[in-house]
Amino acid sequence: AQKITQTQPGMFVQEKEAVTLDCTYDTSDPSYGLFWYKQPSSGEMIFLIYQGSYDQQNATEGRYSLNFQKARKSANLVISASQLGDSAMYFCAMRAYSGAGSYQLTFGKGTKLSVIP
Amino acid sequence: GAVVSQHPSWVICKSGTSVKIECRSLDFQATTMFWYRQFPKQSLMLMATSNEGSKATYEQGVEKDKFLINHASLTLSTLTVTSAHPEDSSFYICSARDLGGYSYEQYFGPGTRLTVT
Repeated sequence: AQKITQTQPGMFVQEKEAVTLDCTYDTSDPSYGLFWYKQPSSGEMIFLIYQGSYDQQNATEGRYSLNFQKARKSANLVISASQLGDSAMYFCAMRAYSGAGSYQLTFGKGTKLSVIP
Repeated sequence: GAVVSQHPSWVICKSGTSVKIECRSLDFQATTMFWYRQFPKQSLMLMATSNEGSKATYEQGVEKDKFLINHASLTLSTLTVTSAHPEDSSFYICSARDLGGYSYEQYFGPGTRLTVT
């Protein structure tokens, strides 16, 4: 079974500072993918970044980077130069094979990020 | 980018009635759509995987007779909450996988907030 753990229920960061949101995972599947999504108060899930288990380099997308440490089974999200609009819930998710040709996303419990002006 | 719509965005219904929620992929074809439920301040929980032209696969603990899923075309999946009760009040989110896109991409709809009185 796949499991995603986010140990930080809430985080505060000063505007323009960098922040790291933690995520660890557990799976026995050698092929998997790791995602980070942002969910503002409106409820929509916004895709931020993806890391495949076989990717050699850490993924980056603008101000977002994923610190992928495969041996430690961690996939932390780093947001640089935080902005007020970054205040939201952040979910780490893992995509793994669920059988019969299907893949599923398993989500962590989320981290609520608050950016302080 | 790929867009997924949901209708309605919010609905209030009386206990005992049924509610249908639509999920549409607007500019791509989706053989697979997923339905999630999210209670306040909690994570997304996968309810079922919907495949076009076949029966949905429900997660353990999800009542298939209560949450009817139909995926009649490559762009439309519907979730019907039958005989709704107050405990069914939740935020329902669908997502769709692009048939022609990267294998990991999954696009989320904006969600439907259901309140059962």
